[in-house]
Amino acid sequence: GEDVEQSLFLSVREGDSSVINCTYTDSSSTYLYWYKQEPGAGLQLLTYIFSNMDMKQDQRLTVLLNKKDKHLSLRIADTQTGDSAIYFCAEDSSASKIIFGSGTRLSIRP
Amino acid sequence: GAVVSQHPSWVICKSGTSVKIECRSLDFQATTMFWYRQFPKQSLMLMATSNEGSKATYEQGVEKDKFLINHASLTLSTLTVTSAHPEDSSFYICSASRGRGSGNTIYFGEGSWLTVV
Repeated sequence: GEDVEQSLFLSVREGDSSVINCTYTDSSSTYLYWYKQEPGAGLQLLTYIFSNMDMKQDQRLTVLLNKKDKHLSLRIADTQTGDSAIYFCAEDSSASKIIFGSGTRLSIRP
Repeated sequence: GAVVSQHPSWVICKSGTSVKIECRSLDFQATTMFWYRQFPKQSLMLMATSNEGSKATYEQGVEKDKFLINHASLTLSTLTVTSAHPEDSSFYICSASRGRGSGNTIYFGEGSWLTVV
């Protein structure tokens, strides 16, 4: 079945890079997404990658996709306190239905 | 850009009453909308797929008689939680699909916090 897995917590020092990892199971996914959820707020689409790409960079964000291993990662360069949030990995399995991972809570230490 | 609006953002209701949450696509027509539920410190779980002009498709384990979904127009889907209980307290969020073809076609509402007392 469809499944998306991520680690639950990540703590990084301010100014360092954060790398959030995700694995998924549906090899037919067309797009893979990273969403950010701040406390009490809805989801914000951060970035997405088409399944035939292996990398996408958008300012401080870099997405790496290893389709063979079904592994997706999000790298945030120069992590700031405003980056503290829960980050959800998601795959577009079929008919625009999105399957979410459990979310990784990113905390920033000074 | 495209915007999906949910209303209300916060709602408190008494046990046994029903509450309706609206999801609107403001500048595009959405033939398909999705309803998700998020329990505290957990991930989003898809509840149902709302199709304009037809019955919603519910995910396994979601009670269709309790969570009534109506997609009466191309810009509006509603979720009604009937005979609400405290365990229905949760964060409900909708998304609207603009169609396939690009990675940015799924738009989320801001979510609705439901507290049942």
